[in-house]
Amino acid sequence: LAKTTQPISMDSYEGQEVNITCSHNNIATNDYITWYQQFPSQGPRFIIQGYKTKVTNEVASLFIPADRKSSTLSLPRVSLSDTAVYYCLVGDKASFQKLVFGTGTRLLVSP
Amino acid sequence: GAVVSQHPSRVICKSGTSVKIECRSLDFQATTMFWYRQFPKKSLMLMATSNEGSKATYEQGVEKDKFLINHASLTLSTLTVTSAHPEDSSFYICSARAGLAASYNEQFFGPGTRLTVL
Repeated sequence: LAKTTQPISMDSYEGQEVNITCSHNNIATNDYITWYQQFPSQGPRFIIQGYKTKVTNEVASLFIPADRKSSTLSLPRVSLSDTAVYYCLVGDKASFQKLVFGTGTRLLVSP
Repeated sequence: GAVVSQHPSRVICKSGTSVKIECRSLDFQATTMFWYRQFPKKSLMLMATSNEGSKATYEQGVEKDKFLINHASLTLSTLTVTSAHPEDSSFYICSARAGLAASYNEQFFGPGTRLTVL
């Protein structure tokens, strides 16, 4: 899996939009970008995945610029329950058979 | 959606005993299961990959005789921590892959098992 860099932690307040950026300068042509969310004492949960431009689902949006060397996970109007660790993973289909997690971004949402 | 369960969710044992953790895919057949461990405020660390009916593949630095993995069926994998010591205390998480699906996000995680060795 391509090496990724994320902020270690972020703070936000309820109702705000949160954008978490992940750098992946060495992303390869066949690589996809996937984000997982992990609550304390729980297993990770898939949030969103994309290859280029923008992907949106009921939970989040993923913005990927043309050079694909970074990506931004956008969480609209966060609530206290969005407090979690968010992991960015980059890899092709073969490497995604074995996920290797980086340090992730610890998001704390306050009232 | 695909559901993966783990049992027990929490276990406390004495040093020197062995502990078995079960990982089950409830509504799909898992050709491959993965075991991770996670220390407090740290990221997940992949321990091993197990394929149904074959020996597990361990990551570098993980003792295979210490962490016994059995993937006896397409819905069950077990991790046995043998002769557990306090340093084995950790959060153990399994995940299961449904097979050669077209999508990439076919790996589903269990809720984890908190092991405390006294």
